[in-house]
Amino acid sequence: DIQLTQSPSFLSASVGDRVTITCRASQGISSYLAWYQQKPGRAPKLLIYAASTLQSGVPSRFSGSGSGTEFTLTISSLQPEDFASYYCQQLNSYPLTFGGGTKVEIK
Amino acid sequence: QVQLVQSGAEVKKPGASVKVSCKTSGYTFTTDDINWVRQATGQGLEWVGWVNPDSGHTGYAHKFQGRVTMTRNTSISTAYMELSSLKSEDTAVYFCARANYGGNSGLYFDSWGQGTLVTVSS
Repeated sequence: DIQLTQSPSFLSASVGDRVTITCRASQGISSYLAWYQQKPGRAPKLLIYAASTLQSGVPSRFSGSGSGTEFTLTISSLQPEDFASYYCQQLNSYPLTFGGGTKVEIK
Repeated sequence: QVQLVQSGAEVKKPGASVKVSCKTSGYTFTTDDINWVRQATGQGLEWVGWVNPDSGHTGYAHKFQGRVTMTRNTSISTAYMELSSLKSEDTAVYFCARANYGGNSGLYFDSWGQGTLVTVSS
């Protein structure tokens, strides 16, 4: 199974900060990686797919990059509504797997 | 618009089974796989498996094989996940999600159900 390691697991930041979350895969997954945002009590929401493609309706302050085994999600200027948990997911091969998550909290 | 609406919360005793439904609308049900993902309280996301609504073919995560069955009813555009031999560790919110296939972009889960809380307690 492909393991995904996210870092950091917890991040404290201020409104307006640039935030970067990393996701490392235990083996190469090409660009078959997605990023989701989840708020408490809600279903995950797709932000990015194919490592760098922004899902329709998602603000342009979110961006994704990487391929192979190392990927990043960047929020260029953190907004109040961005305080949430973020998960990466590999869709290269079954079983599909998720990273452990990154919780972004207000400093 | 695409919608996935799940059945309500369930409380089950250890050893029992639970069946959760996911009713879809707003797209052609048979074109995209339905996946199931669970999340224990305060924990991360865990992929459970998938069902192809057209063929009925399924695939499950290793840890659930033998205990999970995913089915569908195309006449009502609804997918189901049944989990048997429930243990307290199965207490979680279970989500269904549509797996959109974007050609060269591969798969991604673009629409999710609201989640169903399954509580296993004696």
